[in-house]
Amino acid sequence: DVKVTQSSRYLVKRTGEKVFLECVQDMDHENMFWYRQDPGLGLRLIYFSYDVKMKEKGDIPEGYSVSREKKERFSLILESASTNQTSMYLCASLRLGAGGDIQYFGAGTRLSVL
Amino acid sequence: GIQVEQSPPDLILQEGANSTLRCNFSDSVNNLQWFHQNPWGQLINLFYIPSGTKQNGRLSATTVATERYSLLYISSSQTTDSGVYFCAVEGGGGADGLTFGKGTHLIIQP
Repeated sequence: DVKVTQSSRYLVKRTGEKVFLECVQDMDHENMFWYRQDPGLGLRLIYFSYDVKMKEKGDIPEGYSVSREKKERFSLILESASTNQTSMYLCASLRLGAGGDIQYFGAGTRLSVL
Repeated sequence: GIQVEQSPPDLILQEGANSTLRCNFSDSVNNLQWFHQNPWGQLINLFYIPSGTKQNGRLSATTVATERYSLLYISSSQTTDSGVYFCAVEGGGGADGLTFGKGTHLIIQP
């Protein structure tokens, strides 16, 4: 089974802090993604990466950056956290194959910015 | 970008009932997945189904790509089926991330 691990289930940070959300996958997948989930809005794509050191902006990249130094790890960075970044953050890893291109998700990190 | 609309937004059923969840999308897609999010927030892939019909136990899904909709069927509902069901699509040629609908919140009462 694919395993996608997010380092924290819950985080509480203060406005202006630099925040790192970590995600690790164990299946040597090339493609990884960060989404945020807000009530009534579904999931929205923040950033994705298709290889080490490669990154692409998603639909809502403002206020975020990412880092992919190793294939298995994809980090989401909030340079200066703001209250409107309080949300559920979900990381995903993509399995490409004959059975279909399927995204597998971590358990999520609930971030509160006070 | 592609628009994804799911209906109904909320559904409350008794245990044992059947249900149909719908997903409409605005353009042709290369990827369509159905997910179940449990009450603890974990998203689980149910089906990869850009076209055709698939079945897995009490769940089945059908996508009619030419008419731009997909249906998820749940038969003989159990309380563990409760949660939010998301449809997500990708229209591009590569792995550019999924566009999600807003979900259907399903509550199965004992």
